[in-house]
Amino acid sequence: SAVISQKPSRDICQRGTSLTIQCQVDSQVTMMFWYRQQPGQSLTLIATANQGSEATYESGFVIDKFPISRPNLTFSTLTVSNMSPEDSSIYLCSLAVSQETQYFGPGTRLLVL
Amino acid sequence: AQSVAQPEDQVNVAEGNPLTVKCTYSVSGNPYLFWYVQYPNRGLQFLLKYITGDNLVKGSYGFEAEFNKSQTSFHLKKPSALVSDSALYFCAVTAGTASKLTFGTGTRLQVTL
Repeated sequence: SAVISQKPSRDICQRGTSLTIQCQVDSQVTMMFWYRQQPGQSLTLIATANQGSEATYESGFVIDKFPISRPNLTFSTLTVSNMSPEDSSIYLCSLAVSQETQYFGPGTRLLVL
Repeated sequence: AQSVAQPEDQVNVAEGNPLTVKCTYSVSGNPYLFWYVQYPNRGLQFLLKYITGDNLVKGSYGFEAEFNKSQTSFHLKKPSALVSDSALYFCAVTAGTASKLTFGTGTRLQVTL
């Protein structure tokens, strides 16, 4: 199976700043996704990162707040913009190596003060 | 709309005893069902999946799950629990498209000596 890495693994940020999270895969994949896991909660899909085009966002998430890049088939970034304490979460990227199964990265733990 | 219910926030089991973590689902069409495990300060790890075929599927670390179409359930089981199985377990469902994976709220499994 593919190896997925995320940077940074954790960060503490001040409100009003932005953080860019990187997701790197060791093989080319078509579908990549970004999820948020708020403290004590389940996973919520933020968006699908499409290679060569704009990301597809789920209801409740907007590009201005969570801009996503997908420059090639092995890499994607998620930026959390103008952060507030409510953005404190684990952010996970995932990929689909088959039509139905997703595999997840180790996550980025973000704390906003 | 598709949904997943994990009715137990926490399951407590003594080491060596069998364990069951419950999951029921709702989806239009044939379900694709998954179990993931999240260890402390780690990302999600894929355990097993049901796509089609035998209702009993086997996965990693000795876990198995039984698909029951009439009860719309996909309970996770293990014959003999280990303390190292203590983690957060998520059930997920899709109707066949990896991009529409819906997660349950998670069940914390606590295995004690």
